[in-house]
Amino acid sequence: DVKVTQSSRYLVKRTGEKVFLECVQDMDHENMFWYRQDPGLGLRLIYFSYDVKMKEKGDIPEGYSVSREKKERFSLILESASTNQTSMYLCASRGTGYFYGYTFGSGTRLTVV
Amino acid sequence: KNEVEQSPQNLTAQEGEFITINCSYSVGISALHWLQQHPGGGIVSLFMLSSGKKKHGRLIATINIQEKHSSLHITASHPRDSAVYICAARGNTGNQFYFGTGTSLTVIP
Repeated sequence: DVKVTQSSRYLVKRTGEKVFLECVQDMDHENMFWYRQDPGLGLRLIYFSYDVKMKEKGDIPEGYSVSREKKERFSLILESASTNQTSMYLCASRGTGYFYGYTFGSGTRLTVV
Repeated sequence: KNEVEQSPQNLTAQEGEFITINCSYSVGISALHWLQQHPGGGIVSLFMLSSGKKKHGRLIATINIQEKHSSLHITASHPRDSAVYICAARGNTGNQFYFGTGTSLTVIP
């Protein structure tokens, strides 16, 4: 079974802190994604990566950056955390191919105080 | 305007009831996914459809490409089915997904 592991389930950070959210997948998937999920807004794509060192902006990239130095790891970085970045963050991966679906991590609930 | 609309937003059912969750989309898609999210936050992919109907246990998913509509049915619902169900349409480019806001289902014993 494909596994997508997010390093923290719950995280509390202070405004202005630099925050790293880590995601690791074990199935050699090319595509990895970071979403945030907020009530009433559903899942929104922040960034995705289709290969090592490649990244593409999603729908809401402002205030975030990403890093993909190795195929299995995709990191989301909040350069200077703000309270409006309090949210559930979900990482997902997908293989290349028409019929591949997503595999999601279990999520990181980030609170910025 | 959301590219993917789900209904209802919230649903409470008695154990044993037949449940239907609906999803309509307005964009061209290559596939439609149904996802299940449990209270802890983890998301599981239930189905991926590009046409017709799929069945897995008590879950059935259908899609009508002409009407741009999909349904998720749960037969003989059980409290362990309580979760948020999310419809996600994959755009024609492959990596673009459009998500519905989810349907929160509670099944009461």
